[in-house]
Order: sequence, then structure tokens, then C-alpha cells
Amino acid sequence: DAGVTQSPTHLIKTRGQQVTLRCSPKSGHDTVSWYQQALGQGPQFIFQYYEEEERQRGNFPDRFSGHQYPNYSSELNVNALLLGDSALYLCASSLLGQITDEKLFFGSGTQLSVL
Amino acid sequence: AQSVSQHNHHVILSEAASLELGCNYSYGGTVNLFWYVQYPGQHLQLLLKYFSGDPLVKGIKGFEAEFIKSKFSFNLRKPSVQWSDTAEYFCAVNAQGSSASKIIFGSGTRLSIRP
Repeated sequence: DAGVTQSPTHLIKTRGQQVTLRCSPKSGHDTVSWYQQALGQGPQFIFQYYEEEERQRGNFPDRFSGHQYPNYSSELNVNALLLGDSALYLCASSLLGQITDEKLFFGSGTQLSVL
Repeated sequence: AQSVSQHNHHVILSEAASLELGCNYSYGGTVNLFWYVQYPGQHLQLLLKYFSGDPLVKGIKGFEAEFIKSKFSFNLRKPSVQWSDTAEYFCAVNAQGSSASKIIFGSGTRLSIRP
């Protein structure tokens, strides 16, 4: 049973470019959330996707956008990259049923470096 | 705004020592509380969570945490640590009734255990 998979594992971009990160949720999960983890910090919630729609969003600018496909996989897109976007981007999946039973499963992340 | 403070950035202990990692949160309403752990080379995973009821919560691998509402604290404890407990530990909080995805993480505490 595959867990949460993310691709690519590492990525180097330059300022102003655009990037797309991908995530496949754990089998049976219908919800995908994205987090940004800067060096020495805890993960910060970017947004959550459920039923192909953005359901919740953290305090991130519109340069950060996403998509969820019918097979529940998801993409995170970041436009007009800034140096400060360099971070580990984590994807987590869950089954959005009973909130008290909801459990997040995290992927290994994509390390993005912006030069 | 919600926030989480973890007092210690790096804790070094010898095997069999007792552990207590501090966590304080700031939030004006009723909260859910979590501890996540990231072992070297592995994904973030849930250690334990508090939603309601008994403020003393037991998690995996002998860990427990106590919710003290008057102190806005949720400290993690283990009576006797093992070398395999070496990891990064994150305290997290979200508003009760909201999805587990939209959580605020602390900056983490790195735990090193000397064999």
C-alpha cells in the first residue's frame, strides 16, 4: 500500500520562474493538503484540496495555487518565484470523514531551491 | 492569531533519562492539540493528539502529553528515552471543529539521545 508520494524530490529554479510540484495521496484518501517548511521552522499550511476544490487556505499569496484531479492527486504551482520561496514543500493526505478520526499522512517532500 | 511556541530548539539526553518537551499555544477558542515526530530520513507522523476528555493523552512508543488549559500548554513526556527516540518533534494546534489539515506547527525541537 503506497503512502504519499511526491515528485520531484529536489528542484532548482531561478527567480521569476514558475514551478509545479506533484503529489499522489495514500490509497483510499480523498483530501490533499500542502505545507511549506522553511529551514529551521515547522511546516506552514498553504491550502487543502477536497473534491477538486480549494477548501481552506493559509496565509499565502495568490502566487501559490493548486489543483486536484479526479484521481485525488494534486499539484502545487508557484508563480514568479522569490528567493524566500526556497523551502521543503510537504504534501499530506487524509480521508475527510469524522474530524476526530482524521489523520494526516505526510510525504517526504520536494526541496525547492530558488537562486 | 494562533501560534505555537516550543521552548527548546535542541535537547540532548542520555539513554534512560526522562524527557519533557515544552509547548505553549496562543489561541482564543477551543483547540485540538497534536505532537508530530520526524525520525531521521522518515516522514512526519502523528505521535499523539488531544481533542477532548482526559487531558492526559497517551501516544505511540511510550509518549504522553498533558493538556493544561490554564497554562495553554501541551508538554510531551516520556519516562525513559531510547536512542531510537532521536528525532525532530513538532507541537501543533488547530481550532476545534476544523480539519486536521489546517494546523499551526511550532518550530520544532530536535532531540538527540546519546547511547
